[in-house]
Amino acid sequence: ETGVTQTPRHLVMGMTNKKSLKCEQHLGHNAMYWYKQSAKKPLELMFVYNFKEQTENNSVPSRFSPECPNSSHLFLHLHTLQPEDSALYLCASSRGGSSYNEQFFGPGTRLTVL
Amino acid sequence: SQQGEEDPQALSIQEGENATMNCSYKTSINNLQWYRQNSGRGLVHLILIRSNEREKHSGRLRVTLDTSKKSSSLLITASRAADTASYFCATDPSSRKNSGGSNYKLTFGKGTLLTVNP
Repeated sequence: ETGVTQTPRHLVMGMTNKKSLKCEQHLGHNAMYWYKQSAKKPLELMFVYNFKEQTENNSVPSRFSPECPNSSHLFLHLHTLQPEDSALYLCASSRGGSSYNEQFFGPGTRLTVL
Repeated sequence: SQQGEEDPQALSIQEGENATMNCSYKTSINNLQWYRQNSGRGLVHLILIRSNEREKHSGRLRVTLDTSKKSSSLLITASRAADTASYFCATDPSSRKNSGGSNYKLTFGKGTLLTVNP
C-alpha cells in the first residue's frame, strides 16, 4: 500500500451519467494530482493541487471537474463523458513544493464509458 | 509533446538475466525519475537522478544519466519474475519554475513492458 487510496476501483457509466472519483492520501502531503492513463499513450497529467489550490489544468475538457476540499482529499467529478474518456484514472500525492519529491500513486479507477 | 520516450517498448528475458531499458528526452531537465507499474495498478517510484548526477544505485537498480545525449538507462540486475511490470521514465523540464511552494509537472513516457520468465 502506498498510502493513497482511490474509490471506486471500477466504474461503468453511460454518457449522460454524473459520477465522482475519490482519492484520499494518508501521508500528510500537500500536493495532489489527477492523471489519465489510456492504452498505448503516455500518462497524461490532468490537474495539480498544491495546498488545496489548483495550480495546473492541463487543457482538460470541462466535463472533468476537480475538487480539493482539503490537502488529504481530491475528487474528480464526471458528467456527459465520451467513450474516448474510458481509461485508468490515477491519483497521486507528493510533499509538494519541489520537483525532487517523489509522487505516490493510488491503485487507480478503471473507468468505462458506454 | 512527449518528453520522455522509453526503448524498447517491450522486453522479455529469463530470470537471472539483466534487463536494460532506455529513456530519451528532448529538453533540459532538473531531474529524471523511474517508476514501475504492475498491470492495472498505480505507479511506484523507483529512483530519482538529478541533472548533475551521472549514476545512481538502489539495490538491484542502476540508473545512468547522460545530459549531453539527453538519455537515461535503467538496469535491473539478476532479474526475478516479480520484476515483471511496465517501467516509465518521467522528466521534470528545467524550463518550469520549481521554487519553494510551486507545483511541478512530470512528463511520462509510454513505458517499457518487461517480462521476466521463470
